[in-house]
Amino acid sequence: AQKITQTQPGMFVQEKEAVTLDCTYDTSDPSYGLFWYKQPSSGEMIFLIYQGSYDQQNATEGRYSLNFQKARKSANLVISASQLGDSAMYFCAMREGRNTDKLIFGTGTRLQVFP
Amino acid sequence: EAGVAQSPRYKIIEKRQSVAFWCNPISGHATLYWYQQILGQGPKLLIQFQNNGVVDDSQLPKDRFSAERLKGVDSTLKIQPAKLEDSAVYLCASSSGQSYSGNTIYFGEGSWLTVV
Repeated sequence: AQKITQTQPGMFVQEKEAVTLDCTYDTSDPSYGLFWYKQPSSGEMIFLIYQGSYDQQNATEGRYSLNFQKARKSANLVISASQLGDSAMYFCAMREGRNTDKLIFGTGTRLQVFP
Repeated sequence: EAGVAQSPRYKIIEKRQSVAFWCNPISGHATLYWYQQILGQGPKLLIQFQNNGVVDDSQLPKDRFSAERLKGVDSTLKIQPAKLEDSAVYLCASSSGQSYSGNTIYFGEGSWLTVV
């Protein structure tokens, strides 16, 4: 079974608009962490935002926010006021359990921002 | 602060040849990871080091892949002999060892391997 599912292979958004990238996860461990990374064409994975399973509030980092719905096992990334430089691949990832640093990644969503 | 350094950035080899990738993590980071990212997929962990010891190598194809981090700093990943399906980006990452805090895994730009 897929641990991390990203159902949108590609998304388009106009500059200055908001966009939501979907991510669902599957785990039976009560302790886990959810991450979003951005991968531009250069290849580097850039950390964007983190949500812990026990965090009471949704994580926010500047224009990025994570819509965490624990009961639905979803952790969608919301990018507000999109910029041309946001065009990239976006990966959702999960750390499962408290005693591991291992990240399990989804297949990614390619975001294209157009003027 | 310097990021995670990797070399070479690009490599093209014929199948059955060997290749080696080098990684220098962020200074002071005890944990080092090698991930394999095949085109169209998310990265998959190959091996994780804590200092110079292996923490997890469960997904490393040990018949052809090897990795070492002898002095607990930089690391080398070797593939011998290479197969066509090894064509991928090999990403090195490092962390202070406390990634459960959420924001301490940093990635390099990757080494792009094409096997022909």
